[in-house]
Amino acid sequence: KAGVTQTPRYLIKTRGQQVTLSCSPISGHRSVSWYQQTPGQGLQFLFEYFSETQRNKGNFPGRFSGRQFSNSRSEMNVSTLELGDSALYLCASSLGLAGGITSTDTQYFGPGTRLTVL
Amino acid sequence: AQSVTQLGSHVSVSEGALVLLRCNYSSSVPPYLFWYVQYPNQGLQLLLKYTTGATLVKGINGFEAEFKKSETSFHLTKPSAHMSDAAEYFCAVSDLMGGSEKLVFGKGTKLTVNP
Repeated sequence: KAGVTQTPRYLIKTRGQQVTLSCSPISGHRSVSWYQQTPGQGLQFLFEYFSETQRNKGNFPGRFSGRQFSNSRSEMNVSTLELGDSALYLCASSLGLAGGITSTDTQYFGPGTRLTVL
Repeated sequence: AQSVTQLGSHVSVSEGALVLLRCNYSSSVPPYLFWYVQYPNQGLQLLLKYTTGATLVKGINGFEAEFKKSETSFHLTKPSAHMSDAAEYFCAVSDLMGGSEKLVFGKGTKLTVNP
């Protein structure tokens, strides 16, 4: 079974631009979560989508948004990029049963997209 | 809200020595606990998880962790370190919010294995 895939793997943008990252979950998984990883803040939860609906959201500004398609693929968008948005963006997929992580469900992570903002 | 504290941002051991990575959590309800490993330029790989039942959990690559409720700890161990274990390790706890759960991660511990 193929794992979680993220595209692109690396991205360089300049301040003020916007960017879209893509995540394809494991086949059969309906929940997709996004995390930002930086050296200073560590891994922080951005948001979670399940069946095309945002089910959970972390403490990030409105410049960060996402969506999920009917095939469970998800995209996240960051508008008006700032230097501090430079990070590794990780996507994780899970079955999404019973409202989230359960004893029989686990989040599986993709390799991430490394975003550099100049 | 749940939180996770990993003691020691860097741990260095010799090949063949015991690996002990510490994790303490704060949770008002019985938590689900996880250890993930991240190799350079890669995503996170699940090592093991505790949900219910046996408090000693065995994972991949010879790692295991013990859930100790009285100490609110979930330390990760491996009896004999291998060079390939060099990576960053993250402890995480599930946090229920808004009707669904998310993972709250510790800051990570970078493990170095010396020959």
